[in-house]
Amino acid sequence: EDQVTQSPEALRLQEGESSSLNCSYTVSGLRGLFWYRQDPGKGPEFLFTLYSAGEEKEKERLKATLTKKESFLHITAPKPEDSATYLCAVQASNAGNMLTFGGGTRLMVKP
Amino acid sequence: GAVVSQHPSRVICKSGTSVKIECRSLDFQATTMFWYRQFPKKSLMLMATSNEGSKATYEQGVEKDKFLINHASLTLSTLTVTSAHPEDSSFYICSARSGRGYGYTFGSGTRLTVV
Repeated sequence: EDQVTQSPEALRLQEGESSSLNCSYTVSGLRGLFWYRQDPGKGPEFLFTLYSAGEEKEKERLKATLTKKESFLHITAPKPEDSATYLCAVQASNAGNMLTFGGGTRLMVKP
Repeated sequence: GAVVSQHPSRVICKSGTSVKIECRSLDFQATTMFWYRQFPKKSLMLMATSNEGSKATYEQGVEKDKFLINHASLTLSTLTVTSAHPEDSSFYICSARSGRGYGYTFGSGTRLTVV
């Protein structure tokens, strides 16, 4: 059974305090790993797709990395507007188009 | 970019009535769309996969007769919550894959409150 576990569940940072969010996964063949940002009362907003171990992608203050067992979302010098829930999801090789989501990390950045 | 429009964003209905939620892919065709349910401070739970021109595939534990899904065109899928009850109150989100490198694009969600 495909499993995705995100940690921590919640993270409080001061503005400018860099940190990382973790997404550990167990799948029978990875087709893709996705990171999303979700604001309260909104649908998830696409951030990154990673396909193979060693791959990295960056967007502004965010950088996503991937190994064979986990992915990290690094946040450099976060700002209050980065406060949101960050969701990780995997697409397994034998799951068609279906995504399996982790529980999310609620990030709060204080000014 | 790929855009998925979901309507309505909020709906309040009386117990026993039915509510329809629409999900449209605005600038791409989607043969497959997905419907999720999200409880407060929880992650997304896949309810069903909507396939254009054929029956939806429901996840285990999801009542097919309560959550009716219709995917009549390549750009529109609808979820109808039939005979709604307060326990059906939740945040419902649809998604589709555009194939343009945007991963799976999500709608903005529908907050359903059954009173």
